[in-house]
Order: sequence, then structure tokens, then C-alpha cells
Amino acid sequence: GAGVSQSPSNKVTEKGKDVELRCDPISGHTALYWYRQSLGQGLEFLIYFQGNSAPDKSGLPSDRFSAERTGGSVSTLTIQRTQQEDSAVYLCASRDGITGELFFGEGSRLTVL
Amino acid sequence: AQSVSQHNHHVILSEAASLELGCNYSYGGTVNLFWYVQYPGQHLQLLLKYFSGDPLVKGIKGFEAEFIKSKFSFNLRKPSVQWSDTAEYFCAVGDDKIIFGKGTRLHILP
Repeated sequence: GAGVSQSPSNKVTEKGKDVELRCDPISGHTALYWYRQSLGQGLEFLIYFQGNSAPDKSGLPSDRFSAERTGGSVSTLTIQRTQQEDSAVYLCASRDGITGELFFGEGSRLTVL
Repeated sequence: AQSVSQHNHHVILSEAASLELGCNYSYGGTVNLFWYVQYPGQHLQLLLKYFSGDPLVKGIKGFEAEFIKSKFSFNLRKPSVQWSDTAEYFCAVGDDKIIFGKGTRLHILP
């Protein structure tokens, strides 16, 4: 597809379960970002991948959160032992290396019961 | 530390009113500044950006923003808003790591 694709679009899980969120960036974009969007908090930076460099994980809120990017393309954000405060929309973006613009996916809405 | 502050959390205007949304940033590296918009039910999209050159930048849909280095500001403006401008607006700063503000919800009354 032409845009950033995220799946699932909606995920409802029970507290304590693990979840995986997937992001498929725009082909050719070497930079990939994960953000968390919750009411009143704007977009909270989580992690940033650039090519083969070590990712910038400075925004991950706890060690329950991790992310990987395989083959410089698809990325997976994993949340272990989910808590209710993890409920939010998780947004992925890839960046055009020439224009510098971020292109966002539709997001994955996570609800932890 | 890198940070972005948006002063107005919720703004309500009538159509044809002028708009200015405040954004102040703190960043020690190369300043790249952005405004993104999220219309109801849609994904975030770029309104405009500043990387270098003319500090007054023009974006889509009649929006513009001015980079004032001495004030660490990048305020968004539009001379006459329309009902279709109802959306949430986000200011962002960064070179590699891009940080967003908490957003401003703009509601335009018809």
C-alpha cells in the first residue's frame, strides 16, 4: 500500500496479558517512530529507529515495553503484562528522508480491561 | 532536554475569526519545527514545517507559522478560519527524535 499500515486497528485485552502491535512503514523510509496518544497527553514519544543504528528507546515508559524492527522494514511494539494505564492509541510513523515529513498510520487502539 | 509546550488546550472560534495557536520549544540541536493536524476520525497529517531559511512558512489550507528564534516560538496562524478547520493541532520539534506537544483542540462554530 501507499501509506503506513498498522495492525490491529483495535485490541481489547485483559490486564496481565501481552500484546503485539505491528507497523508496516512506507517502502523506502528508513526512519520509523512509535508514539502513544492518550486523552490530554498529546503524542508521547516511545521509540525511534533509523536504518541499522541502535534505536532511541528513551521514551519507553517501562521495561514492559519493547520494540524491534526486522530487516529495516516492519516493526513490532510489544507490551508485556499489560496494565490499565497502557490503554491508548499507539501510532506509528515513517519518515521521508528527503522532505523530513512524518507519515502516520491510523493507529492501534489498545484497551486493557 | 527536548520539549514542546502548546499554551492553548482548547480553543473555540466563530467562522471567519483569526487564529493563532502558540507553540514554544526547548531543544539544543538543529531546530526542525512542524505543525501537524488531526481531523476528526483521520490520521495525523503535516500542515507545514520549518527547517531553515525564511522564518515565515506557509502550509496547506491557508495556514502559516513564524519561527522566532529569540522567543523559541513557532506559532501557527490563519487569518480567517472555516468550520472545516475543526481539528486537533500538534506542534513538534526535533532533528532525528521528534517530540510533539500535547495538542490544541480547535472547535469552529458555524
